[in-house]
Amino acid sequence: QAVVTQEPSLSVSPGGTVTLTCGSSTGTVTSGHRPYWFQQKPGQAPRTLIYDTSNKHSWTPARFSGSLLGGKATLTLSGAQPEDEAEYFCLLTYSGPWVFGGGTKLTVL
Amino acid sequence: EVQLVESGGGLVQPGGSLRLSCAASGFTFSRFWMTWVRQAPGKGLEWVANIKEDGSVQYYADSVKGRFTISRDNAKNSLYLHMNNLRAEDTAVYSCEGGADADYWGQGTLVTVSS
Repeated sequence: QAVVTQEPSLSVSPGGTVTLTCGSSTGTVTSGHRPYWFQQKPGQAPRTLIYDTSNKHSWTPARFSGSLLGGKATLTLSGAQPEDEAEYFCLLTYSGPWVFGGGTKLTVL
Repeated sequence: EVQLVESGGGLVQPGGSLRLSCAASGFTFSRFWMTWVRQAPGKGLEWVANIKEDGSVQYYADSVKGRFTISRDNAKNSLYLHMNNLRAEDTAVYSCEGGADADYWGQGTLVTVSS
């Protein structure tokens, strides 16, 4: 099965902007992979932020956005808040099977 | 209120078996693919298996293929994971997920494989 890659860790200043990326060992990430982004805080279940590349759930803060850029899926956080400190996982689907990325630990400081 | 509640986890010896259950409520269970995801202590999320709305199609991660079986009972709004020949590396919190767009997640049930 494919390997999905993410930055292990990133940091952002409060109010700043950061972009997390999600790549695939099989090549370019496309909308056909239906990229998802999940946020997970310690001791909590994951929460889905973005589905199908760029769609948001009703609970997704407006400061989060998803897109495709440079052959990867991206999650951009604009105007970071202290409560955004968490681990973020991307997910790509491969015509049935799913593959999660290893996660990006985002620090807001 | 949507709820996914997992049960059936526990301590099992290597080579043993367990059956996990996920009870769904608050949404039309039979309309959606359902998925099992696991997370080993201190590690990331790992997709385990998913199953089509009517149970006719299943997909498995290579790490569990041939040992785990996903199934569902739409009449009981329940999802299952039958796990055989368990290994130490299967130790994790197992969570069920569902909904049109990964909307709903359970809190998970801990499976520990150890002698």
